[in-house]
Parts: sequence; structure tokens; C-alpha cells
Amino acid sequence: GEDVEQSLFLSVREGDSSVINCTYTDSSSTYLYWYKQEPGAGLQLLTYIFSNMDMKQDQRLTVLLNKKDKHLSLRIADTQTGDSAIYFCAESKTGTASKLTFGTGTRLQVTL
Amino acid sequence: GAVVSQHPSWVICKSGTSVKIECRSLDFQATTMFWYRQFPKQSLMLMATSNEGSKATYEQGVEKDKFLINHASLTLSTLTVTSAHPEDSSFYICSARDHGTGGANEQYFGPGTRLTVT
Repeated sequence: GEDVEQSLFLSVREGDSSVINCTYTDSSSTYLYWYKQEPGAGLQLLTYIFSNMDMKQDQRLTVLLNKKDKHLSLRIADTQTGDSAIYFCAESKTGTASKLTFGTGTRLQVTL
Repeated sequence: GAVVSQHPSWVICKSGTSVKIECRSLDFQATTMFWYRQFPKQSLMLMATSNEGSKATYEQGVEKDKFLINHASLTLSTLTVTSAHPEDSSFYICSARDHGTGGANEQYFGPGTRLTVT
């Protein structure tokens, strides 16, 4: 079955870079996503990457995909206190009616 | 663009009553909507996939008679928790897939509804 794993917690200083990691088991994953959830709120789609890509950059966000190792990472440059949230990676496959399988979530804490 | 709303944002109900939660796509059409539940400090668990004009597809272990889903239009899906019990207390989140989006399967999430059953 599908399994998506993340480390539970990450603490960084404001201004530093954050790297949140995710591993998945299903090699047929087509799209991989990063979502952000602030306390008591829904999920905000940050970015996604297609499985035939290695890297995608969008302003402060850089997504790296190692398909061989089934490893996905999200790098946030110049981390700000407003970046404190839970970050979920998720995967989906073509032809599965867009179903997402979510990781366990990583709580990012940004300290001054 | 791509805004999804949920109503109510929180609800407290007595055990044995039913609660309806609405999910609306405000600026796009959604042939497919999804309902998730999230327990504290846990990930999202997909409950069901709601398709406009047809029956919902439930995930294994989710009681379809307890969690009634109706997707009557391209912008509205409802989840009714029937005969709610304290163990149904949770954060319920819906998402919608933009009908016009290309192949990225992007889902846009509502702000969630916190249900507390007393």
C-alpha cells in the first residue's frame, strides 16, 4: 500500500533555511505536493512537482525530488516566523480520481 | 482564485443528533470534492470522494450510512454526520478539484469544520 513519511518536528532560526523531508513508497506516484496548514485552518497548496522533474523553484520554495530513492524535500529560504505551521507532503497518481495520500506532517517552528 | 469555503466553521451538538457540513467552491466548478477528517496532531484521512451527480465513493472503514454525502451541484457538496457520537468529534476538511485544471490534480482545501459532540 501507499505510505508517506515525514519527520515530526523541525526548529529553525528566523532567516535560516528550512529543509523538510518526505519519503514515499509508491513508485507509481505521478504528482507530489507540499501543503501548509496553520493552526485551526485548512490546507494551503504551496507547490507541486511532476514525477519526471528533479527540481522546482518558486520564490523562496525549492522542491527536490529523488525518484530513485523516493525522497522529496521542501526547502524554504530565509525562513520567517509566518512560516511556522505544519507542512504535509502528499502524492497522487494519474487515474485514481485525484486521490491524495498525505504524509504524517512536519511541524516547523521558527524561532527568533 | 480557487477558494473553497466550509460552513459552519465549528459546531457543537448533542449525542444522537445529526449535523450537516457544507463545502462550496466559490470561483470554480468542481466535479469532484473530497472529504477528510483530521484528529489532533495527525494527518488527514480521506473519508470519501464526492462526485457531482453520482454516489460518493467511500474509503474502507468509513460507514456510508453514518456519513452521508451529497454533491448536488458543481459548486456544493454536503457531509451529514448522522446520529453523531463523541467519537465523531474531529476536524472535517473538504477539498475540491478545479474542473478546468490541467493534469496536476490540484486540490483546494476549505478552512475546515470543527465538530464537537457532547
